[in-house]
Amino acid sequence: DGGITQSPKYLFRKEGQNVTLSCEQNLNHDAMYWYRQDPGQGLRLIYYSQIVNDFQKGDIAEGYSVSREKKESFPLTVTSAQKNPTAFYLCASSSQTANTEAFFGQGTRLTVV
Amino acid sequence: QKEVEQDPGPLSVPEGAIVSLNCTYSNSAFQYFMWYRQYSRKGPELLMYTYSSGNKEDGRFTAQVDKSSKYISLFIRDSQPSDSATYLCAMRKGGKLIFGQGTELSVKP
Repeated sequence: DGGITQSPKYLFRKEGQNVTLSCEQNLNHDAMYWYRQDPGQGLRLIYYSQIVNDFQKGDIAEGYSVSREKKESFPLTVTSAQKNPTAFYLCASSSQTANTEAFFGQGTRLTVV
Repeated sequence: QKEVEQDPGPLSVPEGAIVSLNCTYSNSAFQYFMWYRQYSRKGPELLMYTYSSGNKEDGRFTAQVDKSSKYISLFIRDSQPSDSATYLCAMRKGGKLIFGQGTELSVKP
């Protein structure tokens, strides 16, 4: 079954701790994306990657970091520098960056306790 | 000003109504347009995509693009309670995929 898998579904973090969200795809897609969703604010782009070993900041990259060592994987680390990390995080992928649609995972809900 | 504007609603309609959802955008560099449906606490699922001006139909759904006015629409005919969700427009600009705020739709039986 091809698709995008995000794990875990729910994640709790203590203030001051870093946490890493997993995103894996078996669609052989080149591009991958991370978005953050808050109530009433739509999806905001954190980071995106067009090819392995390369990634670009989105609109709200501060306090986050990513890596793209493998085509299939694009983990997101939420660092302690992120002031308000409680949110719903969504990972997406697409086959190319131009003129193609993107497909999403089911999301990770991160709560800071 | 946001690059993509979408009325967040909420929008409430009776079952069987025709629903019109709209987005405007400011940058003519946007070339590829998509509509996603998102149920609560789930990832968005792709409904329709198009890259040219005009209409594209798929069952009860019609996507419309007017590049001269920088305006896109999604029409839902014979709306059903199962259509109750948040609808997101999205557009490509180079490597980025930019989303509207999402419109919350409720279809009442």
